[in-house]
Amino acid sequence: GAVVSQHPSWVICKSGTSVKIECRSLDFQATTMFWYRQFPKQSLMLMATSNEGSKATYEQGVEKDKFLINHASLTLSTLTVTSAHPEDSSFYICSASVRQVETQYFGPGTRLLVL
Amino acid sequence: GNSVTQMEGPVTLSEEAFLTINCTYTATGYPSLFWYVQYPGEGLQLLLKATKADDKGSNKGFEATYRKETTSFHLEKGSVQVSDSAVYFCALLNNAGNMLTFGGGTRLMVKP
Repeated sequence: GAVVSQHPSWVICKSGTSVKIECRSLDFQATTMFWYRQFPKQSLMLMATSNEGSKATYEQGVEKDKFLINHASLTLSTLTVTSAHPEDSSFYICSASVRQVETQYFGPGTRLLVL
Repeated sequence: GNSVTQMEGPVTLSEEAFLTINCTYTATGYPSLFWYVQYPGEGLQLLLKATKADDKGSNKGFEATYRKETTSFHLEKGSVQVSDSAVYFCALLNNAGNMLTFGGGTRLMVKP
């Protein structure tokens, strides 16, 4: 089956640091990648949708200057949390799809802890 | 907006017990409904889906029926196994087909 990886799986950083999270589709080319955020005991919240080579579409309430998304190729998307603060601590999950949004292949997630 | 509500976990069952995880939704129009499963250390995987009212999705012994009259999509399995231990997410796809909305997830723990 289709595999999506995320790196790193765990990151701890000091407040003010910028953190980059990579999302890769390992054995397929993804036309669209999605970034979600999950708080403890809460559902996945869609942050943004990105298509290769174009600007990401951010959901309402998500700061695009805070969460920079780059989708440079059909197999790689990156999420950069700029000047991270403790309230940015969360579990970030990416997914990738080929055509249908319902068929999303999810990465294992990246846990970010900002001290 | 669209929303999905799931029963809170964790749900703890003995092996071979009957499982029900409740899911209700709020949406305009006729969304498609899904159950995803997340095994420890892995990403979410699509478990089953239903695209219209009265459809029944099934996979790996799990079933869920799209009930428009009660806006529900409860997940059931007649006899759970230890290997079913995971977090289960109910989700709906909006009419435009461009966004999934997830429930909060329900952790299932099956004891031998």
